[in-house]
Amino acid sequence: EDQVTQSPEALRLQEGESSSLNCSYTVSGLRGLFWYRQDPGKGPEFLFTLYSAGEEKEKERLKATLTKKESFLHITAPKPEDSATYLCAARVDSGSARQLTFGSGTQLTVLP
Amino acid sequence: GAVVSQHPSRVICKSGTSVKIECRSLDFQATTMFWYRQFPKQSLMLMATSNEGSKATYEQGVEKDKFLINHASLTLSTLTVTSAHPEDSSFYICSARVWGRASTDTQYFGPGTRLTVL
Repeated sequence: EDQVTQSPEALRLQEGESSSLNCSYTVSGLRGLFWYRQDPGKGPEFLFTLYSAGEEKEKERLKATLTKKESFLHITAPKPEDSATYLCAARVDSGSARQLTFGSGTQLTVLP
Repeated sequence: GAVVSQHPSRVICKSGTSVKIECRSLDFQATTMFWYRQFPKQSLMLMATSNEGSKATYEQGVEKDKFLINHASLTLSTLTVTSAHPEDSSFYICSARVWGRASTDTQYFGPGTRLTVL
């Protein structure tokens, strides 16, 4: 069974304190690893897609990396506005559906 | 990025009534849209895949007669919760698939609809 696990469940950082969020996956035939940011009461906002091990993508203070078993979302010198729940999702081809399997998320709080 | 809207953003209804939620792709055409449900502090659970012009594909355990999906055009999918009960109270989110280069695709999400059934 395809599974996506995120850790930690919750993370509190001081402003400027860099850290990493983990997303480990056990899927048969990964066709993309997605990162989203979700603010309370809102839909997920797309951040990155990674397709192959060794791939990295950056956007402002965020950098996503991918290995054969896990992905990391590195947050450098975070600010309070980076506080949100970060979701990762694995896409596995299942016929034409190409659905996403989501992890349970990491709730990040950045304190001023 | 692509913009997806949902309407209404919040709805409160009495038990036994039906509620329709609209999902629109604003600046692109979406042949495929997805409907998710999210409980507090939990992740997204896929309910169904909606394809324009054909019947929706429901995930195991999702009642198709209770959650009616219509994808009548390339920019609009609707989810109707029929005879809603308090246990149907949840956050419903739709997404639309956007195709990129080399057959890559990304799902862009709407802002969600908070349904409360009294």
